[in-house]
Amino acid sequence: SYKLTQPASVSVSPGQTARITCSGDALPKQYAYWYQQKPGQAPVMVISKDSERPSGIPERFSGSSSGTTVTLTISGAQAEDEANYYCQSSDSSDTYVVFGGGTKLTVL
Amino acid sequence: EVRLVESGGGLVQPGGSLRLSCAASGFTISDYWLTWVRQAPGQGLEWVANINRDGSTRRYVDSVEGRFTISRDNARNSLYLQMNSLRAEDTAVYYCGRTEMGIQYWGHGTLVTVSS
Repeated sequence: SYKLTQPASVSVSPGQTARITCSGDALPKQYAYWYQQKPGQAPVMVISKDSERPSGIPERFSGSSSGTTVTLTISGAQAEDEANYYCQSSDSSDTYVVFGGGTKLTVL
Repeated sequence: EVRLVESGGGLVQPGGSLRLSCAASGFTISDYWLTWVRQAPGQGLEWVANINRDGSTRRYVDSVEGRFTISRDNARNSLYLQMNSLRAEDTAVYYCGRTEMGIQYWGHGTLVTVSS
């Protein structure tokens, strides 16, 4: 079955830039989406269609795509950005939805 | 305001059944695909199933195919997940979501625990 691969953890100091990658063979054909999830809360979409920022999401969140890898970038990470981040996409036939395993972002 | 509220979770024995509901408000569900996503304790997100606008297309993750059934009632603005032959590994928080270019809106989830 199709898989999306993310690093298990990323750490940055406050004010630094955090980059979280997500790799999958179908990413050149399918859009990727990113979600932020804090403990005990439902996920929140932070990036849509590889690089679009939904309304209400701070400008420090951005997304990009290159080949089989998409990247979520948080420029000037803040303590409140500490959370788990998940990428999501579809298989090459656009039939099945897949989530990456998640990346725990530590801002310390 | 868009709201999704899940209900129907609880404790069930292995092999048992449960029906989850998701009540939508603030929008007309017939305009959107809808999705169920689950999260086992301490684990990541897992897509479970989705359904198109009129219910004619339903898709499932392999691990629930044949045991779970997703359905919708557009007149009641509600989404459902009938879960049969439940297993311990189905224990999770189940979220419903409104789907359009990703899952834009999520409910707060309902916990399903499968245990004897």
